Amino acid sequence: LAKTTQPISMDSYEGQEVNITCSHNNIATNDYITWYQQFPSQGPRFIIQGYKTKVTNEVASLFIPADRKSSTLSLPRVSLSDTAVYYCLVGPSGANNLFFGTGTRLTVIP
Amino acid sequence: GAGVSQSPSNKVTEKGKDVELRCDPISGHTALYWYRQSLGQGLEFLIYFQGNSAPDKSGLPSDRFSAERTGGSVSTLTIQRTQQEDSAVYLCASSLGGTHGEQYFGPGTRLTVT
Repeated sequence: LAKTTQPISMDSYEGQEVNITCSHNNIATNDYITWYQQFPSQGPRFIIQGYKTKVTNEVASLFIPADRKSSTLSLPRVSLSDTAVYYCLVGPSGANNLFFGTGTRLTVIP
Repeated sequence: GAGVSQSPSNKVTEKGKDVELRCDPISGHTALYWYRQSLGQGLEFLIYFQGNSAPDKSGLPSDRFSAERTGGSVSTLTIQRTQQEDSAVYLCASSLGGTHGEQYFGPGTRLTVT
């Protein structure tokens, strides 16, 4: 089972770059790495997905080393509205191995 | 376009009663997922459908939980003989196909068992 480990919480000032790392030592060959953002009282929202190396979209970058045992979500120049919980999801090696974990609560400080 | 919808948005029930939660996925999405989120906790995966089939139901926490999907669209999650520990937000998500794709989540159903 490709479980994940993330820091429970992080604080950052507005305008800074934030990097959140997720460990997934048991990642399987078929697994992709996906990050979601969740605001209070809402369902999670997709941010970015990757398999290896680096992926970038309009909101974030995802860095995945060659061994794929970890990944880092990078949020450039965060704002107060980026305060949320961020989940790293690894899967699937089988559909029921989708494991969100407890996520990282990011608080952006003015 | 319409997103994933869930009903009811809130449900309060007495311990021992049965409840049915409904999920309407995005049209054309073949994959559908159910998750449970307790207060302040992460998401607990319950079950996944590809079309009308659930390849593995072992994520369901007990035999009081069941789920079905008909016509490759609407899904219902049924909890029989509810217990207080079943209180949580139940989230449904759908994706275009397979299990790599981006999941689109509904707003959830908040279940409170008194």
